[in-house]
Amino acid sequence: DAKTTQPTSMDCAEGRAANLPCNHSTISGNEYVYWYRQIHSQGPQYIIHGLKNNETNEMASLIITEDRKSSTLILPHATLRDTAVYYCIVRVDNGNKLVFGAGTILRVKS
Amino acid sequence: DAGVIQSPRHEVTEMGQEVTLRCKPISGHNSLFWYRQTMMRGLELLIYFNNNVPIDDSGMPEDRFSAKMPNASFSTLKIQPSEPRDSAVYFCASSLQTVGSLHFGNGTRLTVT
Repeated sequence: DAKTTQPTSMDCAEGRAANLPCNHSTISGNEYVYWYRQIHSQGPQYIIHGLKNNETNEMASLIITEDRKSSTLILPHATLRDTAVYYCIVRVDNGNKLVFGAGTILRVKS
Repeated sequence: DAGVIQSPRHEVTEMGQEVTLRCKPISGHNSLFWYRQTMMRGLELLIYFNNNVPIDDSGMPEDRFSAKMPNASFSTLKIQPSEPRDSAVYFCASSLQTVGSLHFGNGTRLTVT
């Protein structure tokens, strides 16, 4: 599975959009981009995933560049409860194996 | 949907003792994963099962670790004998093989003294 690069940490003001970037320049054509987050003392939580089209669900939006070498997770109106570690992962769907990197620590501040 | 259920939530044991961690996946899910998380190494995949069969155990640190899945609704991760460096949070997760998202339990925090 392709390696991803994320910033170590980011801050965001409460109520503002949080934009979390991820680079995956070696992604293969059949690899999906997945986002998970982990709130302190809990297990990781699935957020969203996509292949090449932008995706949106009740939690977030995923914007994937046309060359698929990078993506951005957008939390439209961040709240204090969105403070967590956010993981960007690329893998072949149905490939089962999900390998986590270090992630981005997002701190939402009032 | 009760989610993935892990037990115990906390385990404190002495070096050399046997430790058994338990996991009940979400009903209907046919893939199950065991992860370990430490500050130094982050989240590491230890082993995963498809349809109760171990597929990849390359992440299991050594022979002291073993995992079983006797049926679709139960899995165990055993450490024998335990060592202080095994102290970590152990997560179990399950998924439908054909759907991408993994559902994680709340973990077992293991402390080996």
